[in-house]
Amino acid sequence: DAKTTQPDSMESTEGETVHLPCSHATISGNEYIYWYRQVPLQGPEYVTHGLQQNTTNSMAFLAIASDRKSSTLILPHVSLRDAAVYHCILRVALTATGGNNKLTFGQGTVLSVIP
Amino acid sequence: GGIITQTPKFLIGQEGQKLTLKCQQNFNHDTMYWYRQDSGKGLRLIYYSITENDLQKGDLSEGYDASREKKSSFSLTVTSAQKNEMAVFLCASSQDRGCNQAPLFGEGTRLSVL
Repeated sequence: DAKTTQPDSMESTEGETVHLPCSHATISGNEYIYWYRQVPLQGPEYVTHGLQQNTTNSMAFLAIASDRKSSTLILPHVSLRDAAVYHCILRVALTATGGNNKLTFGQGTVLSVIP
Repeated sequence: GGIITQTPKFLIGQEGQKLTLKCQQNFNHDTMYWYRQDSGKGLRLIYYSITENDLQKGDLSEGYDASREKKSSFSLTVTSAQKNEMAVFLCASSQDRGCNQAPLFGEGTRLSVL
């Protein structure tokens, strides 16, 4: 079963900043938060990930709550190319001696962008 | 740069047929995965492999076989295709064991069963 909860869909207008929420109330201390996005006819594309601190890259800003029970993917100045299904998933950190390699995907949030 | 190549891109089969999907990666990644995606649903893990000749069952392994012949390739077999079945099969790979790199995905194999 998926351990994250996301809204089914969200809508935005080009140029706006979008906040995509994700709830993970039962997250473990050794689980990373990963975000992927997927457009039709393609596999999921990595967006960003984090453990505890907020992270930023060229694609997005990931804000992680201090209790780690929720996170928000922030997409600044969205364009039509950002329209996709956004998946928030948890992944156990791996060590040299073990860990869980599995990714568990939920249904994600369908982001629509209006011109 | 590296790439994950899935073949074929489209696969049409007959009910009861055994169908094999192939995946190759040139990242030298340790772990490879097979996921199934049905229309409007999330990805479900079928099998994964953490090294050559290793095989781990996912949540949806019944009805499938898999084989990690070498580090760079991971194949999936649908043992008996179901009538009217339509799904996308996604292969992924990741470098693990102390390097928490995000798994990367191929573009998928689209299966239709007549």
